[in-house]
Amino acid sequence: QSALTQPASLSGSPGQSITISCTGTNSDVGGYNFVSWYQQHPGKAPKLIIYEVINRPSGISSRFSGSKSGNTASLTISGLQTEDEALYSCMSYTNSGSQVFGGGTRVTVL
Amino acid sequence: QVQLLESGPGLVRPWETLSLTCTVSGGSINNYYWSWIRQPPGKGLEWIGNIYYSGSSNYNPSFKRRVTISVDTSKNRLSLELRPVSAADTAVYYCARGGRFSYDYNDSWGQGTLVTVSS
Repeated sequence: QSALTQPASLSGSPGQSITISCTGTNSDVGGYNFVSWYQQHPGKAPKLIIYEVINRPSGISSRFSGSKSGNTASLTISGLQTEDEALYSCMSYTNSGSQVFGGGTRVTVL
Repeated sequence: QVQLLESGPGLVRPWETLSLTCTVSGGSINNYYWSWIRQPPGKGLEWIGNIYYSGSSNYNPSFKRRVTISVDTSKNRLSLELRPVSAADTAVYYCARGGRFSYDYNDSWGQGTLVTVSS
């Protein structure tokens, strides 16, 4: 199965907003509202920050928000902070009953 | 709070079998899906497969012929076998908890274990 498409890297200044895209097909992102996003700091395990496209787990900052349009899901980080510098990965359920990740986007805070 | 701990050999020779165990503590393995996910050095995450506590499993088609995921509810743990391995299988391997359905997200992760494939 093909990985979902994410930009390899994005950067922003503190306080700015950035949006990470995650593009799939009708067989995954576009077909289901089962897209989740994970934040991963170097040497650490991934951490769930968005599930089912738009929902935030308890304890996750409201600066993180998710959305979806067609075959593309998006993660927006508002009011960028230095601790937001990390690798962000999307994941979607697929029509073959499996899950698929995006290639990951490295966010740098300038 | 549930905790997951991966364990197994850190070095596997090419053409042999990679075997890992994930021990779940602080909660029951019952009524959840459990996933194996890997991350080659410097690369993105790759979903390997998942299994329900009852034994029903789903696999990434890219691995389907080489991988077996099993669960032992009496020991509250799950296992991964991948065979035969090559250098391309060198990665950090994570286990993670899913939900009650195969499409659910992964809300708890182990710390990961690095497996290097080399002679």
